[in-house]
Amino acid sequence: GNSVTQMEGPVTLSEEAFLTINCTYTATGYPSLFWYVQYPGEGLQLLLKATKADDKGSNKGFEATYRKETTSFHLEKGSVQVSDSAVYFCALKGAGNNRKLIWGLGTSLAVNP
Amino acid sequence: EPEVTQTPSHQVTQMGQEVILRCVPISNHLYFYWYRQILGQKVEFLVSFYNNEISEKSEIFDDQFSVERPDGSNFTLKIRSTKLEDSAMYFCASSERDSSNQPQHFGDGTRLSIL
Repeated sequence: GNSVTQMEGPVTLSEEAFLTINCTYTATGYPSLFWYVQYPGEGLQLLLKATKADDKGSNKGFEATYRKETTSFHLEKGSVQVSDSAVYFCALKGAGNNRKLIWGLGTSLAVNP
Repeated sequence: EPEVTQTPSHQVTQMGQEVILRCVPISNHLYFYWYRQILGQKVEFLVSFYNNEISEKSEIFDDQFSVERPDGSNFTLKIRSTKLEDSAMYFCASSERDSSNQPQHFGDGTRLSIL
Protein backbone atom coordinates (compact mmCIF):
# COMPACT_ATOMS: atom_id res chain seq x y z
CA GLY A 1 0.00 0.00 0.00
CA ASN A 2 0.92 3.67 -0.06
CA SER A 3 3.35 4.93 2.54
CA VAL A 4 5.48 7.94 3.46
CA THR A 5 8.86 7.92 5.18
CA GLN A 6 10.24 11.07 6.73
CA MET A 7 13.60 11.76 8.28
CA GLU A 8 13.52 11.53 12.02
CA GLY A 9 13.92 14.56 14.19
CA PRO A 10 14.34 16.57 16.11
CA VAL A 11 16.28 18.91 13.88
CA THR A 12 17.98 21.86 15.58
CA LEU A 13 19.36 24.71 13.50
CA SER A 14 20.64 28.21 14.03
CA GLU A 15 18.81 31.11 12.46
CA GLU A 16 19.66 31.62 8.77
CA ALA A 17 20.85 28.04 8.35
CA PHE A 18 19.79 25.91 5.38
CA LEU A 19 17.06 23.38 6.03
CA THR A 20 16.39 20.04 4.37
CA ILE A 21 13.82 17.57 5.62
CA ASN A 22 13.80 14.36 3.61
CA CYS A 23 10.61 12.66 2.53
CA THR A 24 10.26 9.57 0.34
CA TYR A 25 7.13 7.75 -0.62
CA THR A 26 5.78 4.49 -1.96
CA ALA A 27 2.66 4.66 -4.06
CA THR A 28 0.92 3.15 -7.03
CA GLY A 29 0.06 5.46 -9.86
CA TYR A 30 0.62 9.19 -9.56
CA PRO A 31 -0.09 10.53 -6.09
CA SER A 32 -0.25 14.16 -5.05
CA LEU A 33 2.25 15.22 -2.39
CA PHE A 34 1.86 17.71 0.43
CA TRP A 35 3.80 19.29 3.25
CA TYR A 36 1.83 20.35 6.30
CA VAL A 37 3.17 22.32 9.26
CA GLN A 38 2.01 22.30 12.86
CA TYR A 39 3.09 25.28 14.96
CA PRO A 40 3.05 24.86 18.74
CA GLY A 41 -0.51 24.67 20.04
CA GLU A 42 -2.05 24.86 16.58
CA GLY A 43 -3.53 22.53 13.99
CA LEU A 44 -2.20 21.15 10.73
CA GLN A 45 -1.70 23.83 8.10
CA LEU A 46 -1.03 23.18 4.45
CA LEU A 47 2.43 24.51 3.62
CA LEU A 48 2.79 23.50 -0.03
CA LYS A 49 1.80 20.86 -2.53
CA ALA A 50 2.80 19.30 -5.85
CA THR A 51 0.46 17.24 -7.94
CA LYS A 52 2.62 15.79 -10.73
CA ALA A 53 6.18 14.81 -11.43
CA ASP A 54 8.72 17.66 -11.55
CA ASP A 55 6.24 20.12 -10.04
CA LYS A 56 7.76 22.42 -7.45
CA GLY A 57 5.59 23.56 -4.58
CA SER A 58 6.61 26.71 -2.73
CA ASN A 59 5.34 28.90 0.09
CA LYS A 60 6.88 31.18 2.74
CA GLY A 61 10.38 30.50 1.41
CA PHE A 62 9.94 26.73 1.58
CA GLU A 63 10.20 24.58 -1.54
CA ALA A 64 9.78 20.94 -2.44
CA THR A 65 10.10 19.24 -5.83
CA TYR A 66 8.13 16.12 -6.77
CA ARG A 67 10.79 13.67 -7.97
CA LYS A 68 9.23 10.57 -9.42
CA GLU A 69 12.54 8.95 -10.31
CA THR A 70 13.66 8.97 -6.68
CA THR A 71 10.10 8.92 -5.20
CA SER A 72 11.02 11.90 -3.07
CA PHE A 73 9.56 15.24 -1.99
CA HIS A 74 12.22 16.82 0.19
CA LEU A 75 11.42 20.10 1.94
CA GLU A 76 14.01 22.88 1.75
CA LYS A 77 14.44 26.43 2.93
CA GLY A 78 17.49 28.55 2.30
CA SER A 79 17.46 30.56 5.51
CA VAL A 80 15.33 29.48 8.47
CA GLN A 81 13.92 31.81 11.10
CA VAL A 82 13.02 31.24 14.74
CA SER A 83 9.37 31.48 13.69
CA ASP A 84 9.81 28.36 11.50
CA SER A 85 10.10 26.22 14.64
CA ALA A 86 7.32 23.66 14.23
CA VAL A 87 6.60 20.05 13.30
CA TYR A 88 6.61 19.36 9.55
CA PHE A 89 4.59 16.51 8.03
CA CYS A 90 4.96 15.02 4.58
CA ALA A 91 1.79 13.42 3.21
CA LEU A 92 0.46 11.88 0.03
CA LYS A 93 -2.94 11.46 -1.48
CA GLY A 94 -3.30 8.60 -3.90
CA ALA A 95 -4.72 8.78 -7.36
CA GLY A 96 -8.20 7.59 -8.18
CA ASN A 97 -10.64 6.99 -5.39
CA ASN A 98 -8.10 7.12 -2.56
CA ARG A 99 -9.43 10.09 -0.67
CA LYS A 100 -7.35 9.77 2.44
CA LEU A 101 -4.03 11.39 3.24
CA ILE A 102 -1.17 9.05 4.13
CA TRP A 103 1.25 10.68 6.55
CA GLY A 104 4.87 10.63 7.52
CA LEU A 105 5.78 10.60 11.20
CA GLY A 106 6.55 14.31 11.30
CA THR A 107 9.86 16.08 11.86
CA SER A 108 10.26 18.55 14.70
CA LEU A 109 12.34 21.62 13.83
CA ALA A 110 13.77 23.97 16.44
CA VAL A 111 15.49 27.14 15.23
CA ASN A 112 17.68 28.95 17.73
CA PRO A 113 18.44 32.66 17.51
CA GLU B 1 -9.31 33.04 5.49
CA PRO B 2 -12.04 30.48 6.27
CA GLU B 3 -11.13 27.94 8.91
CA VAL B 4 -12.17 24.54 10.16
CA THR B 5 -13.10 24.86 13.82
CA GLN B 6 -13.14 22.05 16.37
CA THR B 7 -14.58 21.87 19.86
CA PRO B 8 -13.66 21.20 22.55
CA SER B 9 -9.91 21.72 22.39
CA HIS B 10 -9.42 19.19 25.19
CA GLN B 11 -11.81 16.49 26.40
CA VAL B 12 -11.21 14.31 29.43
CA THR B 13 -13.54 11.31 29.76
CA GLN B 14 -13.81 8.21 31.89
CA MET B 15 -13.27 4.89 30.13
CA GLY B 16 -16.53 3.43 28.90
CA GLN B 17 -18.23 6.79 28.51
CA GLU B 18 -19.49 8.17 25.24
CA VAL B 19 -17.79 11.20 23.74
CA ILE B 20 -18.77 13.49 20.87
CA LEU B 21 -16.18 15.58 19.10
CA ARG B 22 -17.49 18.49 17.08
CA CYS B 23 -16.28 20.17 13.93
CA VAL B 24 -17.49 23.01 11.75
CA PRO B 25 -15.99 22.56 8.27
CA ILE B 26 -15.37 25.41 5.84
CA SER B 27 -18.77 26.46 4.59
CA ASN B 28 -18.51 25.70 0.86
CA HIS B 29 -16.68 22.41 1.35
CA LEU B 30 -18.45 19.16 0.57
CA TYR B 31 -16.02 16.48 1.76
CA PHE B 32 -15.25 15.87 5.41
CA TYR B 33 -12.69 13.75 7.20
CA TRP B 34 -11.56 12.64 10.63
CA TYR B 35 -7.99 11.70 11.46
CA ARG B 36 -6.29 10.90 14.73
CA GLN B 37 -2.76 11.04 16.06
CA ILE B 38 -1.77 8.92 19.01
CA LEU B 39 1.18 10.47 20.83
CA GLY B 40 4.43 9.60 19.08
CA GLN B 41 2.72 7.90 16.14
CA LYS B 42 1.70 8.88 12.63
CA VAL B 43 -1.47 10.73 11.82
CA GLU B 44 -4.03 8.05 10.84
CA PHE B 45 -7.08 8.32 8.64
CA LEU B 46 -10.37 7.34 10.27
CA VAL B 47 -13.21 8.19 7.92
CA SER B 48 -14.34 10.33 5.01
CA PHE B 49 -17.88 11.60 4.51
CA TYR B 50 -19.73 13.01 1.55
CA ASN B 51 -23.36 13.59 0.67
CA ASN B 52 -24.48 12.44 4.12
CA GLU B 53 -22.80 9.09 4.01
CA ILE B 54 -19.46 7.50 4.73
CA SER B 55 -17.38 7.20 1.57
CA GLU B 56 -14.38 5.45 3.08
CA LYS B 57 -13.31 4.23 6.50
CA SER B 58 -10.23 2.63 7.97
CA GLU B 59 -9.91 -0.51 10.05
CA ILE B 60 -9.72 1.71 13.14
CA PHE B 61 -13.25 3.00 12.49
CA ASP B 62 -15.14 0.08 14.00
CA ASP B 63 -18.66 -0.15 15.42
CA GLN B 64 -17.70 2.04 18.36
CA PHE B 65 -17.26 5.01 16.03
CA SER B 66 -19.88 6.94 14.12
CA VAL B 67 -20.05 10.23 12.24
CA GLU B 68 -22.94 12.52 11.59
CA ARG B 69 -23.75 15.80 9.94
CA PRO B 70 -26.77 16.75 12.05
CA ASP B 71 -27.32 20.10 10.39
CA GLY B 72 -25.87 22.21 7.61
CA SER B 73 -22.75 23.20 9.49
CA ASN B 74 -21.63 20.65 12.09
CA PHE B 75 -19.79 17.39 11.52
CA THR B 76 -19.42 15.14 14.56
CA LEU B 77 -17.42 12.08 15.56
CA LYS B 78 -18.93 9.91 18.29
CA ILE B 79 -17.13 7.22 20.20
CA ARG B 80 -19.73 5.09 21.97
CA SER B 81 -17.74 3.43 24.73
CA THR B 82 -14.29 4.90 25.02
CA LYS B 83 -11.18 2.83 25.69
CA LEU B 84 -7.81 3.90 27.03
CA GLU B 85 -6.30 3.44 23.57
CA ASP B 86 -8.69 6.03 22.13
CA SER B 87 -6.59 8.72 23.81
CA ALA B 88 -5.24 10.79 20.94
CA MET B 89 -5.45 14.09 19.12
CA TYR B 90 -8.41 14.03 16.74
CA PHE B 91 -8.33 16.23 13.66
CA CYS B 92 -11.25 17.19 11.47
CA ALA B 93 -10.61 18.23 7.87
CA SER B 94 -12.64 19.38 4.89
CA SER B 95 -12.05 19.89 1.20
CA GLU B 96 -13.97 21.59 -1.55
CA ARG B 97 -13.59 18.71 -3.98
CA ASP B 98 -12.33 15.21 -3.65
CA SER B 99 -9.83 15.00 -6.48
CA SER B 100 -6.35 13.76 -5.77
CA ASN B 101 -4.78 17.23 -6.03
CA GLN B 102 -7.18 18.97 -3.66
CA PRO B 103 -5.69 19.77 -0.25
CA GLN B 104 -7.58 19.07 2.92
CA HIS B 105 -7.91 21.89 5.43
CA PHE B 106 -7.58 20.99 9.08
CA GLY B 107 -8.85 22.26 12.39
CA ASP B 108 -6.69 22.72 15.47
CA GLY B 109 -7.70 19.33 16.81
CA THR B 110 -9.32 17.96 19.96
CA ARG B 111 -7.07 16.30 22.49
CA LEU B 112 -9.01 13.36 23.92
CA SER B 113 -7.77 11.90 27.19
CA ILE B 114 -9.37 8.71 28.47
CA LEU B 115 -8.93 7.97 32.16
